[in-house]
Amino acid sequence: GENVEQHPSTLSVQEGDSAVIKCTYSDSASNYFPWYKQELGKGPQLIIDIRSNVGEKKDQRIAVTLNKTAKHFSLHITETQPEDSAVYFCAASPYTGTASKLTFGTGTRLQVTL
Amino acid sequence: NAGVTQTPKFQVLKTGQSMTLQCAQDMNHNSMYWYRQDPGMGLRLIYYSASEGTTDKGEVPNGYNVSRLNKREFSLRLESAAPSQTSVYFCASAPPGNQPQHFGDGTRLSIL
Repeated sequence: GENVEQHPSTLSVQEGDSAVIKCTYSDSASNYFPWYKQELGKGPQLIIDIRSNVGEKKDQRIAVTLNKTAKHFSLHITETQPEDSAVYFCAASPYTGTASKLTFGTGTRLQVTL
Repeated sequence: NAGVTQTPKFQVLKTGQSMTLQCAQDMNHNSMYWYRQDPGMGLRLIYYSASEGTTDKGEVPNGYNVSRLNKREFSLRLESAAPSQTSVYFCASAPPGNQPQHFGDGTRLSIL
């Protein structure tokens, strides 16, 4: 089955700096890569996703890049703000035609300090 | 618009007791999922239902059963709870195929 590794496990940045979280996956059949943000006591919320036919996607301060050859994808947050502090999860899913079977990374706790 | 609703939010059980976790979605999604989240291990898929009337095992199905009651509701049952099942349980729903999953806020379950 799929295996997703995520680094770093914790990340502390100053407000205004950029943050980068990296993930690798093992199954070449995976073609959907979402990123989720989880705040304390809440369920994960999708912040951005990318499919295997795209190399990069941006949404305001958030961007995701995908390298299919190397089987890795990264989340970039620019101009970080205190409200970006949360746990971030990457995930990967192969094409199933019916339901997505997500395999999650182990999470990155991002702390944005003033 | 409630999205995905999970009940209860918290529960404490004794070893050997049984319990059903409830999940309902109001987004008319075909697919529904149950995950568990343990410290340092991310979310792991227990069971999923691609459509009403179908269920399939995920990565960690042992000790659990599920029922897709109708398109809106997907329940998770622990027949004989064990301390190893202490976890936070999340339900999610999504349209067909590789589409974003929408999560509830979880059920925090402790088994003594």
